[in-house]
Amino acid sequence: NAGVMQNPRHLVRRRGQEARLRCSPMKGHSHVYWYRQLPEEGLKFMVYLQKENIIDESGMPKERFSAEFPKEGPSILRIQQVVRGDSAAYFCASSPGTGGNTEAFFGQGTRLTVV
Amino acid sequence: AQSVTQLDSQVPVFEEAPVELRCNYSSSVSVYLFWYVQYPNQGLQLLLKYLSGSTLVKGINGFEAEFNKSQTSFHLRKPSVHISDTAEYFCVFFGNEKLTFGTGTRLTIIP
Repeated sequence: NAGVMQNPRHLVRRRGQEARLRCSPMKGHSHVYWYRQLPEEGLKFMVYLQKENIIDESGMPKERFSAEFPKEGPSILRIQQVVRGDSAAYFCASSPGTGGNTEAFFGQGTRLTVV
Repeated sequence: AQSVTQLDSQVPVFEEAPVELRCNYSSSVSVYLFWYVQYPNQGLQLLLKYLSGSTLVKGINGFEAEFNKSQTSFHLRKPSVHISDTAEYFCVFFGNEKLTFGTGTRLTIIP
């Protein structure tokens, strides 16, 4: 059973371009979380999705950022018109359900660099 | 509001010495607490978790943590650290259907 797969591992974009980050959850997991880690900071919650539904997007910037988790395929975090401040590591986690007794498994992250 | 606080951003420790990484939480509801570890340039791995029951929780790699309700703490300890323990450690709170991370403590092992 493969773990949470994120790709690409490293992504370089010029200012103004779009960045697409992909996350394939573990088999059987229907809950996906996205977190952002800025240099020298902890992880900040961005969005929580279940299949075809956004449950909580309270941590998402109001503009340029969007996320989806379609019925088929990976979850996508999309950043339009990237700026230097978007440079960070973006981590995806998946779990089989909610509740503290379900462990969230993390991917290796995508490191976005905006030049 | 629910939150976790890690007071120490960096902790240097000599190899084979004991270590304690501090974590305090704030919550008005039942708490689920975790410690995650992030090795350099890697993702996050669960060290241990407290859900209920025994307040002393043992995790991987010789780590343990004690849930203290009166002091609202969940400190992480290891009696003897190894160079391979060099990493960032996050205290994490589960609430409102999501994990909330502390700012992290960077553990550096001095040979």
